[in-house]
Amino acid sequence: AQSVAQPEDQVNVAEGNPLTVKCTYSVSGNPYLFWYVQYPNRGLQFLLKYITGDNLVKGSYGFEAEFNKSQTSFHLKKPSALVSDSALYFCAVRDKNTNAGKSTFGDGTTLTVKP
Amino acid sequence: GAGVSQTPSNKVTEKGKYVELRCDPISGHTALYWYRQSLGQGPEFLIYFQGTGAADDSGLPNDRFFAVRPEGSVSTLKIQRTERGDSAMYLCASSPGVSGSTDTQYFGPGTRLTVL
Repeated sequence: AQSVAQPEDQVNVAEGNPLTVKCTYSVSGNPYLFWYVQYPNRGLQFLLKYITGDNLVKGSYGFEAEFNKSQTSFHLKKPSALVSDSALYFCAVRDKNTNAGKSTFGDGTTLTVKP
Repeated sequence: GAGVSQTPSNKVTEKGKYVELRCDPISGHTALYWYRQSLGQGPEFLIYFQGTGAADDSGLPNDRFFAVRPEGSVSTLKIQRTERGDSAMYLCASSPGVSGSTDTQYFGPGTRLTVL
């Protein structure tokens, strides 16, 4: 079985400050990890993914995420938040050793960046 | 290029009726996925196609739900005898299908189904 936890329903930061959106996962094998963003009335947009290699992954719009195997975490980060980053963020996991297609998503974290 | 498209964008139906939701994947993508997203929750996996065949349908909640992809492109999610609990956003995604688990899935805008 695989699962994802996003412990914070909401994250509030001031524009220009660093942001972190937390994600922890559970899989029986090795994980593939993904972050998506969802804007109102729009579909999920891919931000970045961790497959293998460097634990720090860089993605779209200046976002990055750090894979930590010992803590089973994959937190999303950005050094300087923009008001336009305000959206709903989802973390997802796939188990490398099981079926290729099945992604398990967290329940999402609403990020609000205030001017 | 064109992304994943889904029709209709909204569907309102009455309890007990039959509905079909359509997904047009990105051209050339061999893998296609259906998810259901309820309010305040993340997408929940329903079914995954590789080509014309369902590679994993473990997420379909019961036998009222069925999906097809007869020519390996467009897919239709079919729900029989709809119930109020089926009300949700139904999301479709596609991926190139060449990298298996590492493929990035590209999502459509979804179909919001409301069962009255």
